[in-house]
Amino acid sequence: GEDVEQSLFLSVREGDSSVINCTYTDSSSTYLYWYKQEPGAGLQLLTYIFSNMDMKQDQRLTVLLNKKDKHLSLRIADTQTGDSAIYFCAEKGGGADGLTFGKGTHLIIQP
Amino acid sequence: ETGVTQTPRHLVMGMTNKKSLKCEQHLGHNAMYWYKQSAKKPLELMFVYNFKEQTENNSVPSRFSPECPNSSHLFLHLHTLQPEDSALYLCASSQDRLTGGTLHFGNGTRLTVT
Repeated sequence: GEDVEQSLFLSVREGDSSVINCTYTDSSSTYLYWYKQEPGAGLQLLTYIFSNMDMKQDQRLTVLLNKKDKHLSLRIADTQTGDSAIYFCAEKGGGADGLTFGKGTHLIIQP
Repeated sequence: ETGVTQTPRHLVMGMTNKKSLKCEQHLGHNAMYWYKQSAKKPLELMFVYNFKEQTENNSVPSRFSPECPNSSHLFLHLHTLQPEDSALYLCASSQDRLTGGTLHFGNGTRLTVT
């Protein structure tokens, strides 16, 4: 089946940029997503990118997609303590219901 | 306020109990989903309903039984569960299954099976 892989942890200093990486295997992916989960809450959609794009920027968030290598990244500029959460990469294959998620990356902010 | 409300927030049940999880969405969406979130595992899609019709059952054991009486409500009926079924159960909705990447999640029900 399709897989989405992410590192489990990332630690950054407050004010630095965070880069969370993700790889996926489904070559028919149409859209790729980043979701954020804060403690005790469900997942919240942060941003998404269509598979024929290679970059999308939304305020402090930059998504880069390398479709050839099936690699997706999320860059958070000027990381703040409120960015501390679990970040999930997800992909939607053509015609599939629902999303395939990675295990999530815990973003830890050091003061 | 997420627009998707799940009750209860926490549930502890024995293996012989029968209980139900409830999900309600106030977003006017037509597709609803159950996901299971276990520690150190990816989110697992369990069931998908589109316009009240079940479109996906991801090889889920029969001790989990979904019900979707209308587009706004989704239930997950539980019976004779196993300890490994302990997890966070998340409900989500989307406009329809074709826009099923833009999911709106509830805060989940934390289930503990003893």
